[in-house]
Amino acid sequence: EIVLTQSPATLSLSPGDRATLSCRASQSVSTYLAWYQQKPGQSPRLLIYDASHRATGIPARFSGSGSGTDFTLTISSLEPEDFAVYYCQQRNNWPPLTFGGGTRVEIK
Amino acid sequence: EVQLVESGGGLVQPGGSLRLSCTASGFSFSNYAMGWVRQAPGKGLEWVSGIGGSGAATYYADSVKGRFTMSRDNSKNTLYLQMSSLRAEDTAVYFCAKGSYFGSGTHFDYWGQGTLVTVSS
Repeated sequence: EIVLTQSPATLSLSPGDRATLSCRASQSVSTYLAWYQQKPGQSPRLLIYDASHRATGIPARFSGSGSGTDFTLTISSLEPEDFAVYYCQQRNNWPPLTFGGGTRVEIK
Repeated sequence: EVQLVESGGGLVQPGGSLRLSCTASGFSFSNYAMGWVRQAPGKGLEWVSGIGGSGAATYYADSVKGRFTMSRDNSKNTLYLQMSSLRAEDTAVYFCAKGSYFGSGTHFDYWGQGTLVTVSS
């Protein structure tokens, strides 16, 4: 089973700041990695798939990069609605599909 | 507009059974894999099971294998999760999610609102 480790667990930033979230895989997942955003009481929303492709309707301030075992989600300038929990998920080696433990982006 | 609506959650005693349903609309249901993902209170996301577009192949997390059965009725645009021998650790919000591909090795581009399953005596 591929383990995804997200860091940091919590990121404290201000609106307008740049956010950089990391997801590291226990073995290569090629570029088959997705990122989701989840706000309290809501279901997850797909942001990025296959490492760097923005999902439909996702603003350009969200970008993804990486391949193999190291991946990054970058939010170029945080908007108030971006404070949430972010999860990565791999689909290269399954079953099982696996998720990272999440990074909470909170207001500083 | 894609919509996924789960139902069937509730309170069940340990060892009991429950069947979740997910009714889909707004897309060609039989062309896409579907999945169930759960989230225990205050915890992260855990993939539970997946099924291909035809329904011929199903896959399960080790934590539920042998206890949960996933199925789909493409004529009714409905997904199911039959859960038995339920344990306290199965307590979670269960999300139905649409895959982006026919096969089950997928990410999920749409999610339902979730249904809460509580296993407690």
